[in-house]
Amino acid sequence: SQTIHQWPATLVQPVGSPLSLECTVEGTSNPNLYWYRQAAGRGLQLLFYSVGIGQISSEVPQNLSASRPQDRQFILSSKKLLLSDSGFYLCAWTQSGYRALIHEQFFGPGTRLTVL
Amino acid sequence: AQSVTQLDSHVSVSEGTPVLLRCNYSSSYSPSLFWYVQHPNKGLQLLLKYTSAATLVKGINGFEAEFKKSETSFHLTKPSAHMSDAAEYFCVVRVIKAAGNKLTFGGGTRVLVKP
Repeated sequence: SQTIHQWPATLVQPVGSPLSLECTVEGTSNPNLYWYRQAAGRGLQLLFYSVGIGQISSEVPQNLSASRPQDRQFILSSKKLLLSDSGFYLCAWTQSGYRALIHEQFFGPGTRLTVL
Repeated sequence: AQSVTQLDSHVSVSEGTPVLLRCNYSSSYSPSLFWYVQHPNKGLQLLLKYTSAATLVKGINGFEAEFKKSETSFHLTKPSAHMSDAAEYFCVVRVIKAAGNKLTFGGGTRVLVKP
């Protein structure tokens, strides 16, 4: 069966510090991968998605970047955190290709980031 | 472009009474529709999905939803609320032609269950 992992689970960082959040998927190959942010009391905002190694699409201009160095690894980064980067970050995956038409996205447990 | 509107940001019900969460969508193409649930500080869990098969979809934990194309609605119901149903619920649409199979989320409905 497939599983998705995120770490760390919680993180407290000072303004201006770097960030690296990691997401890995097991039990599947060539998944589509997604990073979402959920600010307090708000819905989910798609930040990045990737359909393959090294292929990153950005949905909103921001202080963050994403990378996919391996097929089942997705990393969210920042060089200098802002207060507004605080939130709950969720990674998700779905099947790629034609199977994506009927399959849902599967979400990880999330990372709670607080920038002080 | 597609969009999703959850008509209630908060719903309060008593334990044992029915739950109704309303969702309307707009889409230029045949959509796939989902309901997810999120408990505090947790990831999202799929409750059910509609992908152009039966219009009445049954999900986990006694939830079901009915796809009504004429009304562009996908409301979520449960006959009898349980305390464990207290959570936030998201109605989600995916358009088949969307690049990267992206999802569009509604704003969420927070459900409070009173004993």
